[in-house]
Amino acid sequence: DSGVTQTPKHLITATGQRVTLRCSPRSGDLSVYWYQQSLDQGLQFLIQYYNGEERAKGNILERFSAQQFPDLHSELNLSSLELGDSALYFCASSARTGGGPYGYTFGSGTRLTVV
Amino acid sequence: EDQVTQSPEALRLQEGESSSLNCSYTVSGLRGLFWYRQDPGKGPEFLFTLYSAGEEKEKERLKATLTKKESFLHITAPKPEDSATYLCAVQAESGGYNKLIFGAGTRLAVHP
Repeated sequence: DSGVTQTPKHLITATGQRVTLRCSPRSGDLSVYWYQQSLDQGLQFLIQYYNGEERAKGNILERFSAQQFPDLHSELNLSSLELGDSALYFCASSARTGGGPYGYTFGSGTRLTVV
Repeated sequence: EDQVTQSPEALRLQEGESSSLNCSYTVSGLRGLFWYRQDPGKGPEFLFTLYSAGEEKEKERLKATLTKKESFLHITAPKPEDSATYLCAVQAESGGYNKLIFGAGTRLAVHP
């Protein structure tokens, strides 16, 4: 157990729907990062939050949004889902921006299947 | 532009056949280099951190080394359980804060 908790582990939904993925960072970590990993692809950085504020954006679609709450957990909202959004979504955390001695600590991911 | 390139994309080894994975990088200011292991359907797991050229870290059959432009992950006498995707990430400064830049990974398959 890495200490980063992601729920749900699996999600199956239909095209056009909206889903919310949840992440609880490791205790004490203020930074949360979201990544998308499609089948046999590398990690694509989506967005980062630090202590409740958006810090960096990557290749995140306008249909996707995220936020970090005062208790530091984060949610990634995906709307108007398309078949191509099917992927593993990972959350990672670190104590400070850019990672600490171990870089980022990753959760076990949420597997999203859009049918 | 900061960039991390891993090679080869995929590597197939026989059990006991040693080899090396490469991670080359171009960043304006290297703060650290990280190696992760990722098993299918799971999150990346931390292996090593390297900070300066000449530094080496070892763990079981794995040894990571760092030069000014690249890092190698040496795998000695690999076993089938070493099969995984190995990710390299570079910590660099951008816009006043640090970030990790990941390579695309090397998929390693070790066959008995």
